[in-house]
Amino acid sequence: QQQVKQSPQSLIVQKGGISIINCAYENTAFDYFPWYQQFPGKGPALLIAIRPDVSEKKEGRFTISFNKSAKQFSLHIMDSQPGDSATYFCAATGGSYIPTFGRGTSLIVHP
Amino acid sequence: DTAVSQTPKYLVTQMGNDKSIKCEQNLGHDTMYWYKQDSKKFLKIMFSYNNKELIINETVPNRFSPKSPDKAHLNLHINSLELGDSAVYFCASSIGGNTEAFFGQGTRLTVV
Repeated sequence: QQQVKQSPQSLIVQKGGISIINCAYENTAFDYFPWYQQFPGKGPALLIAIRPDVSEKKEGRFTISFNKSAKQFSLHIMDSQPGDSATYFCAATGGSYIPTFGRGTSLIVHP
Repeated sequence: DTAVSQTPKYLVTQMGNDKSIKCEQNLGHDTMYWYKQDSKKFLKIMFSYNNKELIINETVPNRFSPKSPDKAHLNLHINSLELGDSAVYFCASSIGGNTEAFFGQGTRLTVV
């Protein structure tokens, strides 16, 4: 199974700080790289996604940076808020490949 | 209306039993999935299915089988349940394999 490696496993930041989560993938055929946010007791929900034709995508406080040559992408959460406390998953998919998720990052934002 | 709905939300059963989890999506998507989330939050893809192709994660025991009566439904049937099957199971759907996946609320399965 294709792998997506995600780090760190857990992250604690202060309110107003920057949260950064990194992912690396192997299969160069992947062409869709979403980030999902999951709150306790809920299913994952799409937060932001990027395709390999751009190097960065920003939506509000959330930014994906994508490095195609390094096969890496990262999520930056600016001005982190306590309400951002959740588990974040990166994923990679494309074509006939099964969507593959990273192992998740538990983010805690202290007030 | 809930886009992807799963039933039941909680399921407690004894080892050796056979159980099913139902999933329905009203988004008109052509691809549906089943994921298993363990206690460490790891999301493991079990199946990817559209009206043309079933892709099975080779690590999934053959006690697990997806059944799709129509395009809007993908049910998960589990035979001879084991303690290690205890987890949260998520159904999801998408348009094709490389777009946003919409997840259900999950079914927490506990095998005792």
